[in-house]
Amino acid sequence: GAGVSQSPRYKVTKRGQDVALRCDPISGHVSLYWYRQALGQGPEFLTYFNYEAQQDKSGLPNDRFSAERPEGSISTLTIQRTEQRDSAMYRCASSRPFSGGPDTQYFGPGTRLTVL
Amino acid sequence: ILNVEQSPQSLHVQEGDSTNFTCSFPSSNFYALHWYRWETAKSPEALFVMTLNGDEKKKGRISATLNTKEGYSYLYIKGSQPEDSATYLCAFSGNTPLVFGKGTRLSVIA
Repeated sequence: GAGVSQSPRYKVTKRGQDVALRCDPISGHVSLYWYRQALGQGPEFLTYFNYEAQQDKSGLPNDRFSAERPEGSISTLTIQRTEQRDSAMYRCASSRPFSGGPDTQYFGPGTRLTVL
Repeated sequence: ILNVEQSPQSLHVQEGDSTNFTCSFPSSNFYALHWYRWETAKSPEALFVMTLNGDEKKKGRISATLNTKEGYSYLYIKGSQPEDSATYLCAFSGNTPLVFGKGTRLSVIA
């Protein structure tokens, strides 16, 4: 597609429910990143993938959070047993791999998660 | 924990004024410094990626400089326009994925 897409754009769920957030990166982009963004703040890194391999998950807050990218394209961020503190904007970004230089990340529109 | 600081937090300028703001980052293990422009309810939009000490990038009325030895970057906007109103984020990459600052919120008053 023309840009990074995410779905759903808005998700309201009850505490204790599981949610799955989807990211569809720009076609051909090898690297995919997940961020969480609190209101008025910059994005906070969660995890990233090169192809289907998860390279770094140090930013995931706890073991209720997991991510996968099984075929190296679409990625799913799953939050189990949601808590109110999980409420935030979850953004995905994609980029080409490093090949001797830095690359720009292109951000999706985000999923606004509200946990009641 | 890596710390990326941006100042000021917010800024109000009159249309036509020139302005600048600062991003401070760790000077060790530097790889690249990114600037993004973010309008509320939209996605952050990439402005610049800089890697070399002394780098200077320009895009229209917006330019940026980089000092990796002392760990800072400046973003300049010449002749601010109301459409420049946004939050400007910088992000540092070293041997970790991007670490973002909290941004400088610019409001340009017509």
